[in-house]
Amino acid sequence: EDKVVQSPLSLVVHEGDTVTLNCSYEVTNFRSLLWYKQEKKAPTFLFMLTSSGIEKKSGRLSSILDKKELFSILNITATQTGDSAIYLCAVENSGYALNFGKGTSLLVTP
Amino acid sequence: DAEITQSPRHKITETGRQVTLACHQTWNHNNMFWYRQDLGHGLRLIHYSYGVQDTNKGEVSDGYSVSRSNTEDLPLTLESAASSQTSVYFCASSEGPNQPQHFGDGTRLSIL
Repeated sequence: EDKVVQSPLSLVVHEGDTVTLNCSYEVTNFRSLLWYKQEKKAPTFLFMLTSSGIEKKSGRLSSILDKKELFSILNITATQTGDSAIYLCAVENSGYALNFGKGTSLLVTP
Repeated sequence: DAEITQSPRHKITETGRQVTLACHQTWNHNNMFWYRQDLGHGLRLIHYSYGVQDTNKGEVSDGYSVSRSNTEDLPLTLESAASSQTSVYFCASSEGPNQPQHFGDGTRLSIL
């Protein structure tokens, strides 16, 4: 059975801190791993990772995939209160459907 | 701008009633998906479609059905609503391999 596990489940940090969110997976026929940010409504796409060791970066956010050890991390540097959200990790199999983890709830306090 | 829209945004209904949630996308994507999101479970796949006349069951398909008569729409039907189907429902679409899924804003469904 495919499995995606995120840790920690919740996290509280102060503005300016750096955070690392973790995602490990066991999926047959792996195609890609995706990170989404969810505030009040729809999950919004952050990154898609298909190859090991290649960092994807967007502003203060970055992510990397390790296909040998079956995990990914999402880093957020210099956190801001606007980063408060649930961060979702999902793995895409060969059928294009996404298998989601339960998410990490991040709260950034002023 | 192309987009994906869900309707209604909120719905309250009674057990045993049939309910249909609409999903419409203007990206012309072949792949469309329905998920439900519940506390403690995250997002789980209900049904998905790779194109017109194609539908497939996901992890939690019991009690739900979909039909795909055109590229733009994938309505989700609850044949006989049950209280366990109270949830937030998200529709998503993607262009194809190695392309991310984009989500609608969700429908909050309460079944009393």
